[in-house]
Amino acid sequence: EPEVTQTPSHQVTQMGQEVILRCVPISNHLYFYWYRQILGQKVEFLVSFYNNEISEKSEIFDDQFSVERPDGSNFTLKIRSTKLEDSAMYFCASKGGSGRAYNEQFFGPGTRLTVL
Amino acid sequence: SQQGEEDPQALSIQEGENATMNCSYKTSINNLQWYRQNSGRGLVHLILIRSNEREKHSGRLRVTLDTSKKSSSLLITASRAADTASYFCATDLLTGGGNKLTFGTGTQLKVEL
Repeated sequence: EPEVTQTPSHQVTQMGQEVILRCVPISNHLYFYWYRQILGQKVEFLVSFYNNEISEKSEIFDDQFSVERPDGSNFTLKIRSTKLEDSAMYFCASKGGSGRAYNEQFFGPGTRLTVL
Repeated sequence: SQQGEEDPQALSIQEGENATMNCSYKTSINNLQWYRQNSGRGLVHLILIRSNEREKHSGRLRVTLDTSKKSSSLLITASRAADTASYFCATDLLTGGGNKLTFGTGTQLKVEL
């Protein structure tokens, strides 16, 4: 069964460093998302991406964050200068299309980011 | 209060019993989805119920939706130890583009042998 994959599973970085989290959505899906979950808290929406552009972003998704779909398969989240409070589990998700038949979002296993 | 709040926050039952988790939300929705998360792991999609549906079944799962009360419930029948996990409801709102999901705070379910 097709699934969303994410790499790495765990990333440790120093404060101020740049990190790139990678995701491979389910092939032929059209909508892509990043969410994050700080330890012990609820899952929070960061950004949605469709047709090679951001369709919506949250207040969390400030200028330090960017997303890219560099080729036909990868979807990346870049954090330019990490802060301690960026430590969280980051989830990528994808959705097949618009319309009622494609409402489910399928999530990857997550990347645990630890900022020291 | 926030969009998507589950209760109870924690639930402990014996294997074979039924587990019921509730979710309340504030604004009009397109659909509501339930996810499961094992400790420190990813989110597994369980079931989606649309705003014009009142009840849906999938295996041992039964989901209800009451849009007048802005609430949903997830029932797991004949629970197993492997059902131990956190369960989240997530609402897909009518407004806004991109169909972002707004997650609740979750119910931690523990099924004991």
